[in-house]
Amino acid sequence: GESVGLHLPTLSVQEGDNSIINCAYSNSASDYFIWYKQESGKGPQFIIDIRSNMDKRQGQRVTVLLNKTVKHLSLQIAATQPGDSAVYFCAEINFGNEKLTFGTGTRLTIIP
Amino acid sequence: NAGVTQTPKFQVLKTGQSMTLQCAQDMNHNSMYWYRQDPGMGLRLIYYSASEGTTDKGEVPNGYNVSRLNKREFSLRLESAAPSQTSVYFCASSEARGWQSSYEQYFGPGTRLTVT
Repeated sequence: GESVGLHLPTLSVQEGDNSIINCAYSNSASDYFIWYKQESGKGPQFIIDIRSNMDKRQGQRVTVLLNKTVKHLSLQIAATQPGDSAVYFCAEINFGNEKLTFGTGTRLTIIP
Repeated sequence: NAGVTQTPKFQVLKTGQSMTLQCAQDMNHNSMYWYRQDPGMGLRLIYYSASEGTTDKGEVPNGYNVSRLNKREFSLRLESAAPSQTSVYFCASSEARGWQSSYEQYFGPGTRLTVT
């Protein structure tokens, strides 16, 4: 069946460095992808999205790259800050059913 | 604008007890969702409602029922709680229509449920 998975469950990065969080997906029919950030004790918070007809999208300090050939998604966070410590989830959706499928998450820890 | 609100924040139930988790959104969104999140895992969809008056099963619907009371409110009911339903429950809403729309889902703060 379709699944969205992450390569690494944990990632530690020095404050000020760039972070790259990776995600693999298996449903080649996925139309749309979202990255969410979840801080401890809170609900997921939208970071950035990308449609399947794009390969790159930039936001404030974040960039999402989509490689449809290998079904891979990545989230790049520039100049990480302590407030970036959280669990990051990728999610994919097929417009036909409007249901998000979430990956298991990567915990990002920022080292001061 | 409160966004998505959920009540209660915490709940402890004994096996076999029933309860209803409440969710409301003030963003005039058509779609609403209930997820559960178990430790170290992502969110799994329990039920969703694409519009007022409609509900559909998600990935893990067994043991749950839902009601889309009106456009604002979407409740989740556990008729006979089991320890396997110990989890954090999140409600979400979105305005998801068509290719040009954003499918961003806005999440509530969650309800932490323990079934003993």
